[in-house]
Amino acid sequence: ETGVTQSPTHLIKTRGQQVTLRCSSQSGHNTVSWYQQALGQGPQFIFQYYREEENGRGNFPPRFSGLQFPNYSSELNVNALELDDSALYLCASSLAEGTSGKDEQFFGPGTRLTVL
Amino acid sequence: AQKITQTQPGMFVQEKEAVTLDCTYDTSDQSYGLFWYKQPSSGEMIFLIYQGSYDEQNATEGRYSLNFQKARKSANLVISASQLGDSAMYFCAMREGSGGSYIPTFGRGTSLIVHP
Repeated sequence: ETGVTQSPTHLIKTRGQQVTLRCSSQSGHNTVSWYQQALGQGPQFIFQYYREEENGRGNFPPRFSGLQFPNYSSELNVNALELDDSALYLCASSLAEGTSGKDEQFFGPGTRLTVL
Repeated sequence: AQKITQTQPGMFVQEKEAVTLDCTYDTSDQSYGLFWYKQPSSGEMIFLIYQGSYDEQNATEGRYSLNFQKARKSANLVISASQLGDSAMYFCAMREGSGGSYIPTFGRGTSLIVHP
């Protein structure tokens, strides 16, 4: 069984640029969630995708967008990067639509994004 | 108001002793789920335990148990027989609602250090 993988592991961008982060979900999982974790903080929910549709969104501006592909892998895109976007971006997959029950999420190792 | 409050920024415990990590939550929903995650220095979030709002018994998973006091809106994590490998950040999280969008909220975390 393959776990959740994320790429790249580290990334440095400058303000105003665009970035795409990638996530491969655990085998058999159909739901992917993305989180932003600033230094010293808990993860903040960005959005979730279930069967290629957005299934919930946190308090993030539209320049944060996502996609889920038929194989359930996912991308997080951030446009017009700001200094405050510097954070660890975590992807989590689960086998549920995420609206009820235990919905155990399996997290990837994260992508560390630095915006200069 | 914060939805998840973890008041202990750091905790120390002797190896083999038990430790309780505090978590209080705020919701007006009748149906919700409470989670605890462990985050080692590697960054990956590891699911530990889940408690549903309608579960009458406290959840247990091996050395982890959740002391769920619904009236007080608290969901404390108890780790019995602490091990050196338990040193990590611990996050309490809540998912509200039983349908519709999925929006989980995490606390700011508690750093646990287990010393020999």
